[in-house]
Amino acid sequence: SYELTQPPSVSVSPGQTASITCSGDKLGDKYASWYQQKPGQSPVLVIYEDTKRPSGIPERLSGSNSGNTATLTISGTQAMDEADYYCQAWDSSTAFYVFGTGTKVTVL
Amino acid sequence: EVQLVESGGGLVQPGGSLRISCAASGFTFSNYEMNWVRQAPGKGLEWVSYISSRGSTIYYADSVKGRFTISRDNAKNSLYLQVNSLRAEDTAVYYCARAFRVPNYAPRFDYWGQGTLVTVSS
Repeated sequence: SYELTQPPSVSVSPGQTASITCSGDKLGDKYASWYQQKPGQSPVLVIYEDTKRPSGIPERLSGSNSGNTATLTISGTQAMDEADYYCQAWDSSTAFYVFGTGTKVTVL
Repeated sequence: EVQLVESGGGLVQPGGSLRISCAASGFTFSNYEMNWVRQAPGKGLEWVSYISSRGSTIYYADSVKGRFTISRDNAKNSLYLQVNSLRAEDTAVYYCARAFRVPNYAPRFDYWGQGTLVTVSS
């Protein structure tokens, strides 16, 4: 089955840039989405189709996807960005959705 | 405003059953594919099941296949998940999530409910 791997945690200072990676076999051939989940809340879509932001998502969140790795970048990180982040891809061979293992972003 | 509201969770003994529901509003429910996603306490997200807009196509994760049944009633704007033969490892918050798909692009979950907790314990 298809798997997506993320680092368990990323720490960043306020105002700095955080990068969260998501690795999977030929992930660049699929489209990646990213979800933000704050404690006690439901996940929120923040990036879809590798690079696009839904309405209301700040420009400081951006995405890329190439080769075996998709990356979510948070520029000028703010305290409100502290959350768990999950990548997600759709495996067209099985029609299954796959989530990454999740990354906890801590703003120090 | 799009709203997804889950209900029906609770405490159930191992081997028991439940039916959880998701009431949709604020959009034309019959036009959208729907999914169930779960999250065990302190763990990550796990996709559970998918149903097409008319209910004709259904998929399950291997971990629940044969025990869970997804269904929908478009006249009632409702999504369901019948969970049988429950195990301790099925303990989780169960979210319903709307899938948004455009041609030639992968679908994404653009709206989520608040979740309903299913606890399997004796």
